[in-house]
Amino acid sequence: DARVTQTPRHKVTEMGQEVTMRCQPILGHNTVFWYRQTMMQGLELLAYFRNRAPLDDSGMPKDRFSAEMPDATLATLKIQPSEPRDSAVYFCASAPLSGGSGANVLTFGAGSRLTVL
Amino acid sequence: GDSVTQMEGPVTLSEEAFLTINCTYTATGYPSLFWYVQYPGEGLQLLLKATKADDKGSNKGFEATYRKETTSFHLEKGSVQVSDSAVYFCALKRLNTDKLIFGTGTRLQVFP
Repeated sequence: DARVTQTPRHKVTEMGQEVTMRCQPILGHNTVFWYRQTMMQGLELLAYFRNRAPLDDSGMPKDRFSAEMPDATLATLKIQPSEPRDSAVYFCASAPLSGGSGANVLTFGAGSRLTVL
Repeated sequence: GDSVTQMEGPVTLSEEAFLTINCTYTATGYPSLFWYVQYPGEGLQLLLKATKADDKGSNKGFEATYRKETTSFHLEKGSVQVSDSAVYFCALKRLNTDKLIFGTGTRLQVFP
């Protein structure tokens, strides 16, 4: 089965350190999403890309978070500097181009669990 | 704005019991509706979907019917198993957008 691969699966770091999470979307999927999951807020959309171009990053704290797609096989989410409130599970998901239909489905990675001390 | 409301959990059931998890939505136009499931330590997986009114999505014994008149997409299963224990998320996506809007999730615990 094709899958979305995320690294690292777990990361523990100290406040103020830079954190980079990586995602390899499914080959041929041209829409990539970053979600954050916490107990308090549930699933929040941070940013998403279509054909490597950022379409919406309104859910992302701009001062410390950045998301990029250096190429079609890699998406990155960077936090600098990290804070304890950033502790969460970060999910990447990819989807094929919907072509205007409503039925395209997101495939999620297993997530990166971040703990900031 | 668009939103999805799910019943609070946890839902605790004995094996072979009937399951209903309620989901209602608010959206302009005619969204597609989804149920995703998250098993412990894993990402979300699509369980089923429906793209228009009166469509019924089904998979692995789970069913949900897109009810436009009540703006609902309730998840049901006739006989749950211990292996169904997970968190279930209802979600919507408007036509011509890429974003999925999720509910807060409902944890299901099934005991033998």
